[in-house]
Amino acid sequence: GAGVSQSPSNKVTEKGKDVELRCDPISGHTALYWYRQRLGQGLEFLIYFQGNSAPDKSGLPSDRFSAERTGESVSTLTIQRTQQEDSAVYLCASSLEGQGVYGYTFGSGTRLTVV
Amino acid sequence: AQKVTQAQTEISVVEKEDVTLDCVYETRDTTYYLFWYKQPPSGELVFLIRRNSFDEQNEISGRYSWNFQKSTSSFNFTITASQVVDSAVYFCALSGNTGRRALTFGSGTRLQVQP
Repeated sequence: GAGVSQSPSNKVTEKGKDVELRCDPISGHTALYWYRQRLGQGLEFLIYFQGNSAPDKSGLPSDRFSAERTGESVSTLTIQRTQQEDSAVYLCASSLEGQGVYGYTFGSGTRLTVV
Repeated sequence: AQKVTQAQTEISVVEKEDVTLDCVYETRDTTYYLFWYKQPPSGELVFLIRRNSFDEQNEISGRYSWNFQKSTSSFNFTITASQVVDSAVYFCALSGNTGRRALTFGSGTRLQVQP
């Protein structure tokens, strides 16, 4: 596609439920990143996929968070047993490679509200 | 480890004033990339500039200019003759060629331009 597409754009869920957030990167981009942005804060790195290499999961805040990516296509970020502190905008980005030579393109984000 | 520091949390100026947003970074990588992004109230991240570590030339784009100084590990951003539409949160970010190959963001500077 022309840009990075994220769905849903907004999600309200009850505490304790599981949620799945989807990211569709730009076609041909081998690198994909998930970030979290809490209200009024900066972007926190969550996880990074680069081609078929093992993902860098070092930013995932707890074992309730997981992400998958099939090849160089769609990625899904799953949050299990959601807590109120999970409320944030979840941003996805993709790039042609994993260093920044070609820059990063961000999606519009999924705003998650846990009530 | 990589780190980006934006010491200015919030800046308020009156329209037509010049304003400089500071960014100081830390990295052990010899090759790295520095970025500035704008996040207006609508929430999307707008790419402004990418600079690689081998290019210390300052850059000017319209009312925007960037001063990259490797000696002080700084990559400051100046807006000349600010306008109300410049009101946004501005993020400085860094990516390197070793370790975590994802953007590390500063905490952002909120710029308010008053009419």
